[in-house]
Amino acid sequence: DQQVKQNSPSLSVQEGRISILNCDYTNSMFDYFLWYKKYPAEGPTFLISISSIKDKNEDGRFTVFLNKSAKHLSLHIVPSQPGDSAVYFCADSYSGAGSYQLTFGKGTKLSVIP
Amino acid sequence: NAGVMQNPRHLVRRRGQEARLRCSPMKGHSHVYWYRQLPEEGLKFMVYLQKENIIDESGMPKERFSAEFPKEGPSILRIQQVVRGDSAAYFCASSPGLGETQYFGPGTRLLVL
Repeated sequence: DQQVKQNSPSLSVQEGRISILNCDYTNSMFDYFLWYKKYPAEGPTFLISISSIKDKNEDGRFTVFLNKSAKHLSLHIVPSQPGDSAVYFCADSYSGAGSYQLTFGKGTKLSVIP
Repeated sequence: NAGVMQNPRHLVRRRGQEARLRCSPMKGHSHVYWYRQLPEEGLKFMVYLQKENIIDESGMPKERFSAEFPKEGPSILRIQQVVRGDSAAYFCASSPGLGETQYFGPGTRLLVL
């Protein structure tokens, strides 16, 4: 039973436009969500996180929105740049097991077209 | 500021051999996590360690897999008698404290022939 779902395996966006990546979750006990970006043959790079008590967090071109009633979060990238082309993973962090292990979605491959 | 280091980056083993994957956390980080990524999948948690202690190994296969994080030296993920299904990318992450952001290494890509 997948706790974190990214239903779009890929997304193409024109340079300069907005990229919106979506994530749905089932576990309401999470402590916070994170977004990671991953290039081929590299490890995931932390982008931005949001705690369970907030509904929005912004860092430069990246904004994450959390809708707890819909169990949905999204990452907005404005404006999109070709260097943003990568696979984006959302993950939730849950302290119930004592370890704050991350549970990842399968990822969305973003392609920003120049 | 060196990031999380993993070696080797690529490892080829034949079925039945042992694989040893090493992870050196970021300076000042005492919490280490191991994750595995199978093709077309997200990363899956395996084990969480602090210095000399395994805290949570709920994601580790019950047989052939073990992990350690000794007082001195890197964390080691050991896979005995590898099988083809062990072929995957293995990522290590470290954090400075419990519940803080995890930073990932570049991964070790294991191929079992």
